[in-house]
Amino acid sequence: SQTIHQWPATLVQPVGSPLSLECTVEGTSNPNLYWYRQAAGRGLQLLFYSVGIGQISSEVPQNLSASRPQDRQFILSSKKLLLSDSGFYLCAWSRQGEEQFFGPGTRLTVL
Amino acid sequence: GENVEQHPSTLSVQEGDSAVIKCTYSDSASNYFPWYKQELGKRPQLIIDIRSNVGEKKDQRIAVTLNKTAKHFSLHITETQPEDSAVYFCAARAGGFKTIFGAGTRLFVKA
Repeated sequence: SQTIHQWPATLVQPVGSPLSLECTVEGTSNPNLYWYRQAAGRGLQLLFYSVGIGQISSEVPQNLSASRPQDRQFILSSKKLLLSDSGFYLCAWSRQGEEQFFGPGTRLTVL
Repeated sequence: GENVEQHPSTLSVQEGDSAVIKCTYSDSASNYFPWYKQELGKRPQLIIDIRSNVGEKKDQRIAVTLNKTAKHFSLHITETQPEDSAVYFCAARAGGFKTIFGAGTRLFVKA
């Protein structure tokens, strides 16, 4: 069976510090991978998606970036965090044309 | 760009009553429509989905209808129970990659 992992689960960072969130998927190959952000009490904002190694599509211009160094690894990064980057970050995977499965999420607080 | 509108944003029903959540989408190429349930602090989980070649799908107390002409789709929950209380997201996907989510509906089921 497939599983998706995210870490860390919780993170508190000062404004201006860097960020690296990691997502890995097990039990499948060549998945589509996604990063979403959910502000408190709000909907799911698609940040990035990837259909293969090194292939990243950005949905929202901002100070975040994503990379996919391996088939089942998806990383979300920032060089300098802003207060507005606080939120619940969800990674998801899917097969082509199939449902998305979400990871457990990382709750980021920028102070 | 692609957009999914979801209404209402908040819905309060009495236990045993029905709940209906409605969504509209803008991309006529959308062919896959999942619904997710998100409990407080947890990841969204798929509860039902429908594809564009089907007008209605039912799974026990949950049903989804799709009107492709009007670009509307709806979630119906019958005989609601307190454990149905959560945030529900509709979504639409075209081309197998990018899923666009609605803003969410917070459902309260009063015992």
